[in-house]
Amino acid sequence: RKEVEQDPGPFNVPEGATVAFNCTYSNSASQSFFWYRQDCRKEPKLLMSVYSSGNEDGRFTAQLNRASQYISLLIRDSKLSDSATYLCAVNGPNDYKLSFGAGTTVTVRA
Amino acid sequence: DVKVTQSSRYLVKRTGEKVFLECVQDMDHENMFWYRQDPGLGLRLIYFSYDVKMKEKGDIPEGYSVSREKKERFSLILESASTNQTSMYLCASTLLAGSETQYFGPGTRLLVL
Repeated sequence: RKEVEQDPGPFNVPEGATVAFNCTYSNSASQSFFWYRQDCRKEPKLLMSVYSSGNEDGRFTAQLNRASQYISLLIRDSKLSDSATYLCAVNGPNDYKLSFGAGTTVTVRA
Repeated sequence: DVKVTQSSRYLVKRTGEKVFLECVQDMDHENMFWYRQDPGLGLRLIYFSYDVKMKEKGDIPEGYSVSREKKERFSLILESASTNQTSMYLCASTLLAGSETQYFGPGTRLLVL
């Protein structure tokens, strides 16, 4: 079983729609969680960290569900510029490295 | 702003060649990482380094080696390139351990013929 798994999508949504997707992780001791955004042929960039209490950054909301071992990302009022691949990343305690999911592709259409 | 640079954006090499990929970061970060990214497989860690001259194997180190002689520079070496090493290679750095944001370079797209 992969350490981190994501639905690859693609999620094709119209502008203004809400889209949400999850990322599951296998290590119950994982402590840090992140969402990265990767545009086509570009490097990943941090979108947001995911805190236990959940957090919101503008139109983006991230949630953590420890009991079911998944994190989620919700995008409200989608913009064309939100089209990208969203990677989740997870690490464990005392762990230098992050494990990344393969990414969920979102395409927002006009 | 943190800047991570990689020596080449695109590289074409022949099977059996020795290939050097260089990565430099300008923020005095302790930790540096090399990943490869392939469709459907995501980012896979090849090697990482948490200090000068220190290195640790990641998930897929076979066929690769690394060098970190200076804090700001982390090199990935393909001793004898093979076609299955055709991939996008991404370098990243972070100040502290894995709980911190990783900053990525722009990537090197390597084609091995």
